[in-house]
Amino acid sequence: NAGVTQTPKFQVLKTGQSMTLQCAQDMNHNSMYWYRQDPGMGLRLIYYSASEGTTDKGEVPNGYNVSRLNKREFSLRLESAAPSQTSVYFCASTAADSPWETQYFGPGTRLLVL
Amino acid sequence: AQSVTQLDSHVSVSEGTPVLLRCNYSSSYSPSLFWYVQHPNKGLQLLLKYTSAATLVKGINGFEAEFKKSETSFHLTKPSAHMSDAAEYFCVVSDWKAAGNKLTFGGGTRVLVKP
Repeated sequence: NAGVTQTPKFQVLKTGQSMTLQCAQDMNHNSMYWYRQDPGMGLRLIYYSASEGTTDKGEVPNGYNVSRLNKREFSLRLESAAPSQTSVYFCASTAADSPWETQYFGPGTRLLVL
Repeated sequence: AQSVTQLDSHVSVSEGTPVLLRCNYSSSYSPSLFWYVQHPNKGLQLLLKYTSAATLVKGINGFEAEFKKSETSFHLTKPSAHMSDAAEYFCVVSDWKAAGNKLTFGGGTRVLVKP
C-alpha cells in the first residue's frame, strides 16, 4: 500500500516549457487535490477533484490545468511554465470531499523554472 | 471566509522541555481544525484533528491541542520535546459549510529542538 505517489520528484524547466505532474493513490479515495507550497505561505489549493469526472478551481488556478484520468490518477499540467511557478507541488487525497476528512499527502514534486 | 494565523514562524526548544505552537483561526461557521507535520523533504502527515467532538484532542507522538471557541484558538502542545519533533507544523482550518473539503493553511511554524 503506497498511499499517494507523485512523479517526478524533481524537475527543472526553462520558461515557456510545458510539463505534467503525475499523482496516483491506491486507497480508493474519491477526492484528490493539488497544492503548491511556497515559503511562509503554507499550502495553497490549485485545483481539486471531488469525484471522478469532476474538477474545480482552487485558490491559485491560473497557469495550470488538471485531468482526473480515473479514480486513481489526477495530473497537473503547466502549459507554459513561468518563474513564478517555481514551488513544491503536493498531491493529496481523501475518502470523501467533506471538511472533517483527513487528507493524505504525497511526497511532493520540487519544480524550478528558470 | 476562513483564515489561519500561526503566531510564531520559528520556535526553538531544548530536548525534554514543553512545546507550544500557537494558532488562531477565523471561520464563519463551525470549523474543523487540523495540525499537520512536515519533516524535511517529506509530505505532510496528520497529527490530530478537531471535528466538534471533545475540545481537547490527542494526537500521535504525544501531541495534543485544545479547541477554544471563545478565543478562536487551537494551540498545539507537547509536554516533552524529542529530537525527532524537529519539523514544520501547519495549523489548518476547514469550514463545514464551505463547498467541499477546502483546507486553509497557516504559514507554518518551524520547530528546532536543541540537545
